[in-house]
Amino acid sequence: QVQLQESGPGLVKPSETLSLNCTVSGGSISSYYWSWIRQPPGKGLEWIGYIYYSGSTNYNPSLKSRVTISVDTSENLFSLKLSSVTAADTAVYYCARGGERWPPDYWGQGTLVTVSS
Amino acid sequence: DIQMTQSPSTLSASVGDRVTITCRASQSISSWLAWYQQKPGKAPNLLIYKASSLESGVPSRFSGSGSGTEFTLTISSLQPDDFATYYCQQYNSYWTFGQGTKVEIK
Repeated sequence: QVQLQESGPGLVKPSETLSLNCTVSGGSISSYYWSWIRQPPGKGLEWIGYIYYSGSTNYNPSLKSRVTISVDTSENLFSLKLSSVTAADTAVYYCARGGERWPPDYWGQGTLVTVSS
Repeated sequence: DIQMTQSPSTLSASVGDRVTITCRASQSISSWLAWYQQKPGKAPNLLIYKASSLESGVPSRFSGSGSGTEFTLTISSLQPDDFATYYCQQYNSYWTFGQGTKVEIK
């Protein structure tokens, strides 16, 4: 059974960079797409971007200028960096397996990241 | 950008009711549509993919239909565990989620 676990700081200051890792266990990161999705408190889901295990990426156009997703196949994890954060980036961040024409089928439990000074 | 519009935003129903949620795309997405169930404090759970294919392990009371721009999720007989928020998602061009439909106890 594939399991995903997000990790990273729960509090980030405005204008700084949010950094999260997603560790995949119970299966290899290879041969799949991997994605990041977020959900502001009390609101709906927003796709951030996804990466293929080979490293090719696709980002939400509304966030593209601030987002970097990378993959480390040796560590079986992938990562999210979101720069120049504001309070509007406060959300639960989920990592999931899926991308392109493959909807997310396995999800992490989510991690709340608050942007505040 | 493809916009996804769900209706209704909130739905009040009783156990045993047949429930239908609609999702409309701003342009054709063929059958590249998924449905998710989300409970408070939990990650979404994939129910339906490719508009009408039931994800493994999902009860058969859930079904999906539609193609092009109009899609529906139907719960044939609502169970206590089904009170939750449901989201549609297009994955034809990038990804976009609907705003969600909360199914409440009547």
